Amino acid sequence: QVQLVQSGAEVKRPGASVKVSCKASGYTFTDYYLHWMRQAPGQGLEWMGWVNPNRGDTKYAQKFQGRVTMTRDTPISTAYMELSRLRSDDTAVYYCAKERNLGESALDLWGRGTLVTVSS
Amino acid sequence: QSVLTQPPSASGTPGQRVTISCSGSSSNIGSNTVNWYQLLPGTAPKLLIYSYNQRPSGVPDRFSGSKSGTSASLAISGLQSEDEAVYYCAAWDDSLNGRVVFGGGTKLTVL
Repeated sequence: QVQLVQSGAEVKRPGASVKVSCKASGYTFTDYYLHWMRQAPGQGLEWMGWVNPNRGDTKYAQKFQGRVTMTRDTPISTAYMELSRLRSDDTAVYYCAKERNLGESALDLWGRGTLVTVSS
Repeated sequence: QSVLTQPPSASGTPGQRVTISCSGSSSNIGSNTVNWYQLLPGTAPKLLIYSYNQRPSGVPDRFSGSKSGTSASLAISGLQSEDEAVYYCAAWDDSLNGRVVFGGGTKLTVL
């Protein structure tokens, strides 16, 4: 069925990096941009950026420029979000989601989220 | 601090109609479409409304959206217990080189 399956929870030390995966199935992976969001405890959703699974180009929120890298592996229909130089306030649930239509901001399919905990 | 402003909470009794507001600016709601999402604990977020007032297939017509100027609203009629969730508005924002912005979320309680 149509779904996005994310990797499991991670615990990281401050200063480390984390790489979260998002495997797509049930649709043509390269036809829709994949976005990444996060939700810190008690906070709202925050957009991090998107990756174009077809060409690999990316757009990142200014806040994460220099710390985030979004990539994809098209043969296995999987996107990745790597966040480096982790801090305690990066503790959050990270979500991937696909655009409903190319170039549309509506996200019609979401993963269930990956909890990343940053703690010393 | 979220770019879009939503009330933190809303409530209603079964069968009632509830509206949730979302206030933005000319760089987001004023010039781009608004989408609404429903978050239930332990489940993936769900797209409820896109392009101000369109419903994806499978979303009941009890849910509707509207926009006026730089504000948008989500209305839920015939409130049901399973509607208890957190609702987020979102839009593309043309500032800061372009980004998606969200509201802070509204926790809807069905009394």
